[in-house]
Amino acid sequence: DTEVTQTPKHLVMGMTNKKSLKCEQHMGHRAMYWYKQKAKKPPELMFVYSYEKLSINESVPSRFSPECPNSSLLNLHLHALQPEDSALYLCASSQTVLAGTYEQYFGPGTRLTVT
Amino acid sequence: DQQVKQNSPSLSVQEGRISILNCDYTNSMFDYFLWYKKYPAEGPTFLISISSIKDKNEDGRFTVFLNKSAKHLSLHIVPSQPGDSAVYFCAAQKLVFGQGTRLTINP
Repeated sequence: DTEVTQTPKHLVMGMTNKKSLKCEQHMGHRAMYWYKQKAKKPPELMFVYSYEKLSINESVPSRFSPECPNSSLLNLHLHALQPEDSALYLCASSQTVLAGTYEQYFGPGTRLTVT
Repeated sequence: DQQVKQNSPSLSVQEGRISILNCDYTNSMFDYFLWYKKYPAEGPTFLISISSIKDKNEDGRFTVFLNKSAKHLSLHIVPSQPGDSAVYFCAAQKLVFGQGTRLTINP
């Protein structure tokens, strides 16, 4: 199983809502990532979890709150988002973050629209 | 500051010919590079990688060349097939992506 799954596929939320994005992998990977991708732009790294611990936070606003409940799951909790946060949110996993030599496996993404 | 740059936003190639996608980087500390392919409505898929100890890595129709002195790498696809039509991202150390090049293979 080399699949990373993400739910939901699409999400529309108001600026006062609280919602969560979910990501799951069963490849035994110990590194998981959240990226944000705007139209016609490359994916931008948001967070990296290594062995269930947050290891990189790329100065992401606190209205985005990641959580890694176990080695297979990664959540992104959303609260009080702005319309400019509308984007494709991609989850990825890799064996580890060590040495930078392991390719990432990406999920299909969640298309988020903030109204 | 874009540390990984793909200066061609799009490229159109005839089926059967060679596709060459280019990527430049600015950080000389980068020592591992990857190419990803992305179809619409899907996440990026890993294609091929190269470590800085090599200058070429080949996998089937895909070859990546690395020129460290020029801080330049390229992806060659030969022969190009219609199924290769996608957006291709160059990435360094997994975490820094170029802007992407949309490749269209014309039958």
